[in-house]
Amino acid sequence: AQSVSQHNHHVILSEAASLELGCNYSYGGTVNLFWYVQYPGQHLQLLLKYFSGDPLVKGIKGFEAEFIKSKFSFNLRKPSVQWSDTAEYFCAVKWTVLSYNTDKLIFGTGTRLQVFP
Amino acid sequence: EAQVTQNPRYLITVTGKKLTVTCSQNMNHEYMSWYRQDPGLGLRQIYYSMNVEVTDKGDVPEGYKVSRKEKRNFPLILESPSPNQTSLYFCASSLSWGRGEPQHFGDGTRLSIL
Repeated sequence: AQSVSQHNHHVILSEAASLELGCNYSYGGTVNLFWYVQYPGQHLQLLLKYFSGDPLVKGIKGFEAEFIKSKFSFNLRKPSVQWSDTAEYFCAVKWTVLSYNTDKLIFGTGTRLQVFP
Repeated sequence: EAQVTQNPRYLITVTGKKLTVTCSQNMNHEYMSWYRQDPGLGLRQIYYSMNVEVTDKGDVPEGYKVSRKEKRNFPLILESPSPNQTSLYFCASSLSWGRGEPQHFGDGTRLSIL
């Protein structure tokens, strides 16, 4: 079955530190990839998405992600985090593979990021 | 303002008492979906709808029903709620799903089933 793995469950950083959150997915095929952020008490908001083209995707608030097809990965990065980046981050994948249901969006279990001033 | 509206935001109820969580979007989106969010499990899809009168099961559909009689509304029905359905529920919509458009999420509904 399709699955999405986020290996970092809880990350604690100081302000100005660099961030990289891992996201790996199972199976090949054509994929659409997303990173969502959920600030405390709020709903999910889209940070960035990859559909096709340049594998380095830039999103809002200084975030970027790189799609590495050979590694089935879509890691999220930010060179210098801020206290306001404290939130939970979710990676999500939609597959386009004929033998599978292509209409589902599968989420990872999330990574909780805490940034201390 | 473009938005996805869920009601109620919070509900405490008892086992077996039927409940409906409403979801409405004002963006003329074709695709709508329900998720539940549980600690350590992330978001799991319950049901989704590609368009009016077209619905299908997600990963965890047991104990839930949905309907899509109008484009803007996608209610989630718990016919006989049980404590294991205590969770945070999110409704989401997107313009379509063929090109992987991102989903817009509602503010969530926190259900507690006693």
